[in-house]
Amino acid sequence: KAGVTQTPRYLIKTRGQQVTLSCSPISGHRSVSWYQQTPGQGLQFLFEYFSETQRNKGNFPGRFSGRQFSNSRSEMNVSTLELGDSALYLCASSGRMRTAPDTQYFGPGTRLTVL
Amino acid sequence: AQRVTQPEKLLSVFKGAPVELKCNYSYSGSPELFWYVQYSRQRLQLLLRHISRESIKGFTADLNKGETSFHLKKPFAQEEDSAMYYCALSPSRGATNKLIFGTGTLLAVQP
Repeated sequence: KAGVTQTPRYLIKTRGQQVTLSCSPISGHRSVSWYQQTPGQGLQFLFEYFSETQRNKGNFPGRFSGRQFSNSRSEMNVSTLELGDSALYLCASSGRMRTAPDTQYFGPGTRLTVL
Repeated sequence: AQRVTQPEKLLSVFKGAPVELKCNYSYSGSPELFWYVQYSRQRLQLLLRHISRESIKGFTADLNKGETSFHLKKPFAQEEDSAMYYCALSPSRGATNKLIFGTGTLLAVQP
């Protein structure tokens, strides 16, 4: 079965702009989590959605937001981009059931560069 | 505070040598512990989790609650084991798939 897909794979933006990243989970999965990966901070949890509801949130400013649609696809948005937002953004899906934690399946990531 | 520490950024061993990737965690409850691996040009993927007590690709990891450790071990390293290894913790309280990752250890197996 198809794995987690993320679009776009690469993105270049300038400071002050906003960006939307998309994630399609594995069919049947209801949980989608987002992570930011940078050389300095490593992998950091952004937020998790389950059945269209945000279930958990990491320590990121309000410029980072997300949502999940009824088909479990998820988007994350970053407004007023800063240079420090340059990172690889990973999406992971898991869980047909509400119970957690479950194995997470990661996408290939979206590489965001802010100039 | 919830934290995962992987003290080694790089571990270089020769093929056939034993491997131990260290992981220590800080958590006030009983967490779920995982090892994720990323091979070159591949996605991050689960290697094993402590609750399943499996051996995957010859790797094992034992949760030591007294030492708050979850070290990954393999008796005989293979070149194909070269990859980035991440130890991760998921809080057991509440329904969440949130993962707290360590900074990762790059394992390089020399021929």
